[in-house]
Amino acid sequence: NAGVTQTPKFRVLKTGQSMTLLCAQDMNHEYMYWYRQDPGMGLRLIHYSVGEGTTAKGEVPDGYNVSRLKKQNFLLGLESAAPSQTSVYFCASSRRSYNEQFFGPGTRLTVL
Amino acid sequence: GQQLNQSPQSMFIQEGEDVSMNCTSSSIFNTWLWYKQDPGEGPVLLIALYKAGELTSNGRLTAQFGITRKDSFLNISASIPSDVGIYFCAGQQLSGAGSYQLTFGKGTKLSVIP
Repeated sequence: NAGVTQTPKFRVLKTGQSMTLLCAQDMNHEYMYWYRQDPGMGLRLIHYSVGEGTTAKGEVPDGYNVSRLKKQNFLLGLESAAPSQTSVYFCASSRRSYNEQFFGPGTRLTVL
Repeated sequence: GQQLNQSPQSMFIQEGEDVSMNCTSSSIFNTWLWYKQDPGEGPVLLIALYKAGELTSNGRLTAQFGITRKDSFLNISASIPSDVGIYFCAGQQLSGAGSYQLTFGKGTKLSVIP
């Protein structure tokens, strides 16, 4: 099992550009999450999904959109990137919301 | 949003020494978790605590769920070089949307001097 994988690992964008981060899990988990990690800030929840076709806002959702068209995939989109979105993005999944969350290796995004 | 106060922010210790770090909050949590993050990787769960007062060990790691449900600590005994990394506490509770969510502390960066 690969667990949770994220694509790409690194990306540099210019302000105003758009991009999509892909998260995939092969554990048949119902719940998936997107977090951002900034220096000295810990992880903050952006959006999450409780199942295929459903998404919900987390603590810091502004500037991001998500989609969960397939159970194993959770996409995070930036429509118009801003320097404030420079961060490391982590995807996670769990069987249920009260179960352990398994994290991917992260995507390091820089917005110039 | 809710905040977890994790301390210390960073530690430099000699190999073989014991380490202690803690998290406090003004909010009550159902579950406390401790994660470790190695450089360039995602966090990995070390210990999960489910009951107030619970004391749980995982090898050289020991963690406790505070009796007030507002705090937790993690101890590492006889530290070794591979203990280097960032340790995060996380509190879990039911959100207004009906699912459980995690609130993370800001992390404790541990450096071990051989």
